[in-house]
Amino acid sequence: EDQVTQSPEALRLQEGESSSLNCSYTVSGLRGLFWYRQDPGKGPEFLFTLYSAGEEKEKERLKATLTKKESFLHITAPKPEDSATYLCAVQPLRDNQGGKLIFGQGTELSVKP
Amino acid sequence: KAGVTQTPRYLIKTRGQQVTLSCSPISGHRSVSWYQQTPGQGLQFLFEYFSETQRNKGNFPGRFSGRQFSNSRSEMNVSTLELGDSALYLCASSLLQMSGKLFFGSGTQLSVL
Repeated sequence: EDQVTQSPEALRLQEGESSSLNCSYTVSGLRGLFWYRQDPGKGPEFLFTLYSAGEEKEKERLKATLTKKESFLHITAPKPEDSATYLCAVQPLRDNQGGKLIFGQGTELSVKP
Repeated sequence: KAGVTQTPRYLIKTRGQQVTLSCSPISGHRSVSWYQQTPGQGLQFLFEYFSETQRNKGNFPGRFSGRQFSNSRSEMNVSTLELGDSALYLCASSLLQMSGKLFFGSGTQLSVL
């Protein structure tokens, strides 16, 4: 069964304190892995797509990496505005499931000034 | 460019009633997906429509249905509502079919009493 597990469930950081969020996945063929950010009262906002092991993507203070079994979202010197829930999702390779994203439960990040 | 628009924003219904939710995708986007988000189960895929045809369906009962119109706007219907249907229903659009890069609306918060 396809599955995505994110850890930790919640993370509290001080402004400037770098850390990483983990996303472990089990899928029978990976079409892509996606990171989203969700603010309270809003829908998820797309951050990154990763397709193959070894791939890395960066955007401002965020860097996403991918291995064959997990992905990491590294946050460097976070600011309070980085506080949000970060969601990881995988897209199976199977044709009849191609349009479906399987989401993890998310990591709720809080950055204090 | 306007984002994905979902109406209504909030909805309160009673058990046994039916409900219709509406979604207007980003202009030019032809694919629309629907997700259910609850605190316990997280984000779960409902279905995807492309060019007025349902391309994919998640593991939800037949009470959940949808359709897409020629202008790419989409509606989702839930019949015979149950208490467990209380959730945030998110619509997402994408330029291409089976894309994992989704643009989400803010959702419709459905409460079933």
